Amino acid sequence: EAQVTQNPRYLITVTGKKLTVTCSQNMNHEYMSWYRQDPGLGLRQIYYSMNVEVTDKGDVPEGYKVSRKEKRNFPLILESPSPNQTSLYFCASTSRWGRGLRMNTEAFFGQGTRLTVV
Amino acid sequence: ELKVEQNPLFLSMQEGKNYTIYCNYSTTSDRLYWYRQDPGKSLESLFVLLSNGAVKQEGRLMASLDTKARLSTLHITAAVHDLSATYFCAVVRPVRGGSQGNLIFGKGTKLSVKP
Repeated sequence: EAQVTQNPRYLITVTGKKLTVTCSQNMNHEYMSWYRQDPGLGLRQIYYSMNVEVTDKGDVPEGYKVSRKEKRNFPLILESPSPNQTSLYFCASTSRWGRGLRMNTEAFFGQGTRLTVV
Repeated sequence: ELKVEQNPLFLSMQEGKNYTIYCNYSTTSDRLYWYRQDPGKSLESLFVLLSNGAVKQEGRLMASLDTKARLSTLHITAAVHDLSATYFCAVVRPVRGGSQGNLIFGKGTKLSVKP
């Protein structure tokens, strides 16, 4: 079954304690990304990765790091979490087909990680 | 800067009624996505609209895309309680190198269907 798996699903942590949220996909997609969802703001992209060892900032990257050492995994790292990073986080894996202007995409989302930083 | 605006943000409907959710976006794009999210759940893909004039239907939901007007609509016909959820539209923003994959989301429309 095609899946995007995030862990943990729920996490409560304290300010400044480093944490990692893992994301794994079994669809052999090159493109993966992280979003955070906050009430009234919708989903905003944190980081994305177009392939192994290729990552770039999204719209709200401050306070986050990512790595992409293998195609299937794209962990999100919070080196020193702060309360304003309390949010619902989604990892997405995107299939792409076609070429150039006719390239089409469809994103598949993980189940989400609800993070609370106190 | 690509912006995606949904209207309305909140919608309370009676069962059996029809309504339309609007999604406007600020820059050229010929593909648009609709997602559904139930409370506490992930996003479920509803429709992928890939060209101007595209129309897709699934049950009581029908989505359309007008790339010239930069507008997509999600029409709900004879609403039922099971359709209560938050609906998001999203547009692809091209990234460096011409490859695509960045989705820019609207803020979502929270739909509540009451008996």
